[in-house]
Amino acid sequence: GQQLNQSPQSMFIQEGEDVSMNCTSSSIFNTWLWYKQDPGEGPVLLIALYKAGELTSNGRLTAQFGITRKDSFLNISASIPSDVGIYFCAGFSGSARQLTFGSGTQLTVLP
Amino acid sequence: SAVISQKPSRDICQRGTSLTIQCQVDSQVTMMFWYRQQPGQSLTLIATANQGSEATYESGFVIDKFPISRPNLTFSTLTVSNMSPEDSSIYLCSVERVYNEQFFGPGTRLTVL
Repeated sequence: GQQLNQSPQSMFIQEGEDVSMNCTSSSIFNTWLWYKQDPGEGPVLLIALYKAGELTSNGRLTAQFGITRKDSFLNISASIPSDVGIYFCAGFSGSARQLTFGSGTQLTVLP
Repeated sequence: SAVISQKPSRDICQRGTSLTIQCQVDSQVTMMFWYRQQPGQSLTLIATANQGSEATYESGFVIDKFPISRPNLTFSTLTVSNMSPEDSSIYLCSVERVYNEQFFGPGTRLTVL
């Protein structure tokens, strides 16, 4: 089946720093989604991307749909303690007709 | 987005028993899904819950182990049957509200002893 390679697996950063994480695939996706999961909660949708090259922001979060349609990145600027959690990328392929999730990036923000 | 609730939020069960998890959405949706998230892992799709017909299961998941009901467009249940410790996971339902965008419930944390 389709697989998404998400990196890094974990990050420890200082409050105020910027963060970047990405996902790559060997398959083409026509939708990229980024989710955040807090402990004990379900994933919450942060950003949705639909077009190759698309750059979308949601507050301090910015995500891009790679031009090859096989990758996406998420940037978080000026991190704060509440950014702590696990971030998942997810891709939707018309051929697979299902959402494929990356392995997640565990973000820790140090005061 | 969507308001999605799940019951129970958590449970501890004995090996060999079954647990039914409920998922309720605040308005009608066509697409509902059930996922499993094993400890420290990502999300894996179990099945798509189809209203009025049998669920569509992904490879590695079978109806006898994970029977699903979808009696209407706002409600679905997932049963985890004949449980073993390997079934200890978070079970999540999701709905598709906007094209390809899925919204998740809070999850059901299952521990099997």
